[in-house]
Amino acid sequence: DADVTQTPRNRITKTGKRIMLECSQTKGHDRMYWYRQDPGLGLRLIYYSFDVKDINKGEISDGYSVSRQAQAKFSLSLESAIPNQTALYFCATSDSGTAANYGYTFGSGTRLTVV
Amino acid sequence: AQTVTQSQPEMSVQEAETVTLSCTYDTSESDYYLFWYKQPPSRQMILVIRQEAYKQQNATENRFSVNFQKAAKSFSLKISDSQLGDAAMYFCAYRTHNTNAGKSTFGDGTTLTVKP
Repeated sequence: DADVTQTPRNRITKTGKRIMLECSQTKGHDRMYWYRQDPGLGLRLIYYSFDVKDINKGEISDGYSVSRQAQAKFSLSLESAIPNQTALYFCATSDSGTAANYGYTFGSGTRLTVV
Repeated sequence: AQTVTQSQPEMSVQEAETVTLSCTYDTSESDYYLFWYKQPPSRQMILVIRQEAYKQQNATENRFSVNFQKAAKSFSLKISDSQLGDAAMYFCAYRTHNTNAGKSTFGDGTTLTVKP
């Protein structure tokens, strides 16, 4: 099994629908992140969490919400999906303390299309 | 805020040749970490190599090496003996040394094509 699992892998949804993207990890990492990838724009941070009780907004949090249900689970919700939220979404994890400097472990991404 | 710039949207290389991907960044910090990630067509992001800013020695991982120029705020990736499996999008990323900050900033990516 993958260290970081994202579900679903692909999803098509209609404008105005609520959708949840899920992420779970077996790395035992404290820190989890949600990024969005758009062509030509790299990865942009949506939300991040350093532990279950610590959730922070990233640079593009508007229109999104998150839930850290457990150390291993971090979900991203689009309350009312709109077409410009069509993108590839990545969940990532990292260790804490100095081990955080060893970089991220990524999930395989969720390709979301809002029609 | 830190920014990361990859000025080459696309690059190509002949199989077995060497290619260098460019990355520059802007920061006022003196201590930080830099990374190169690879995203093949499978879209899985994979860490290729990392560099600690306080180390002068350039990092190397097999055929991958970096040229870290701290004063110039430049962090290029050199791929030697390019293989077809190296074809991917490559992202440069910056992370502050402050472990309480934790999050990385990414460049826009460079798509590398490897020609047989």
